[in-house]
Amino acid sequence: KQEVTQIPAALSVPEGENLVLNCSFTDSAIYNLQWFRQDPGKGLTSLLLIQSSQREQTSGRLNASLDKSSGRSTLYIAASQPGDSATYLCAAPDTGRRALTFGSGTRLQVQP
Amino acid sequence: SQTIHQWPATLVQPVGSPLSLECTVEGTSNPNLYWYRQAAGRGLQLLFYSVGIGQISSEVPQNLSASRPQDRQFILSSKKLLLSDSSFYLCAWSVVRMTSSRTNYGYTFGSGTRLTVV
Repeated sequence: KQEVTQIPAALSVPEGENLVLNCSFTDSAIYNLQWFRQDPGKGLTSLLLIQSSQREQTSGRLNASLDKSSGRSTLYIAASQPGDSATYLCAAPDTGRRALTFGSGTRLQVQP
Repeated sequence: SQTIHQWPATLVQPVGSPLSLECTVEGTSNPNLYWYRQAAGRGLQLLFYSVGIGQISSEVPQNLSASRPQDRQFILSSKKLLLSDSSFYLCAWSVVRMTSSRTNYGYTFGSGTRLTVV
């Protein structure tokens, strides 16, 4: 059974800082990994999807890396902005159940 | 393009009343469909998933059930709601293409239904 852990649970940074969110997973036999953003009271917005054949994926100021052998992924946010304030969720497939297992998220607050 | 619709956005129901939440997907065929639940301040919990019409896998034994009457329709139901059913319910879909390197095109979530049982 897949287990996903995210560190830190919460993070508060001043505007403009570069930051790294960490995700680890127990079952490395994954075919991809997905990062989501969730604003308070809202649904999930997909940020980045990394296939198992890829090492990283970039979208604007976001960069996600994947290291299957070590069971880790990181989400790098460059030049953070107050609009980046949200909860960031890492999700890895649980192939046995054909569904995603989520981490508990990192709650990010970017101070103006 | 593919879209997912989930309704209603909010719902307040008395204890013991029935529940029906609906989710539909457009722009794709034979998707995998999912129901997740997120309690306040907590992570997402998988409730049900379906890989085809009439095929439902249940993850958590409780008073909820799911049905897939059509390829792109997924329904979450309860005969009698409990106070503990108050939560944020999310529907999602995914498609897996069996290419040479099996590729999943990721999961897309609906906007969610906030259910309050009073």
